[in-house]
Amino acid sequence: DTAVSQTPKYLVTQMGNDKSIKCEQNLGHDTMYWYKQDSKKFLKIMFSYNNKELIINETVPNRFSPKSPDKAHLNLHINSLELGDSAVYFCASSRDRFYEQYFGPGTRLTVT
Amino acid sequence: GQQLNQSPQSMFIQEGEDVSMNCTSSSIFNTWLWYKQDPGEGPVLLIALYKAGELTSNGRLTAQFGITRKDSFLNISASIPSDVGIYFCAGQVGPSGSRLTFGEGTQLTVNP
Repeated sequence: DTAVSQTPKYLVTQMGNDKSIKCEQNLGHDTMYWYKQDSKKFLKIMFSYNNKELIINETVPNRFSPKSPDKAHLNLHINSLELGDSAVYFCASSRDRFYEQYFGPGTRLTVT
Repeated sequence: GQQLNQSPQSMFIQEGEDVSMNCTSSSIFNTWLWYKQDPGEGPVLLIALYKAGELTSNGRLTAQFGITRKDSFLNISASIPSDVGIYFCAGQVGPSGSRLTFGEGTQLTVNP
């Protein structure tokens, strides 16, 4: 059973398009996250939701909008994609905001 | 903001050798985590440390939470080829938030 899953695994799209990445966790966790990993492998948090409430919103362009329909799902919608958005995006979850985080397999986004 | 300095950036070792890597911070963390990332995969939690001075082992891996709360190290004993990957340290302040700050990663290469 996959604990934290993301779809799609790969996403290739053109500049200006709008795309979404979906994340689901079956661990019963209350808190979910989105991270961005750049080409130098640096991991940086973007958003965090606890029980469907947004608790972390880093300095991210407002073209990125997270949505949590329920505790087990956290989706990331990106409008007007730019070349600089190309990266690997990871979803993660934790029991609550103070516990260790478990990561999904990542979505490699390539904007051409 | 908080920053973690992780060293070394890369290591090339022979199978059977022991490995040591560390992270230092300019500020205090209440939790230290160590993750390993294989190519094309998400980071996998190796060890979580919750108390200053804590020494925890997971098989051939041993990690310690520095007494000053500003550093942590990870040792791998008797390395094997499947130890290859990127190792990340991460610090969490808590209990005020769930934001994880990641180090830049240590790329480990093990020559058989």
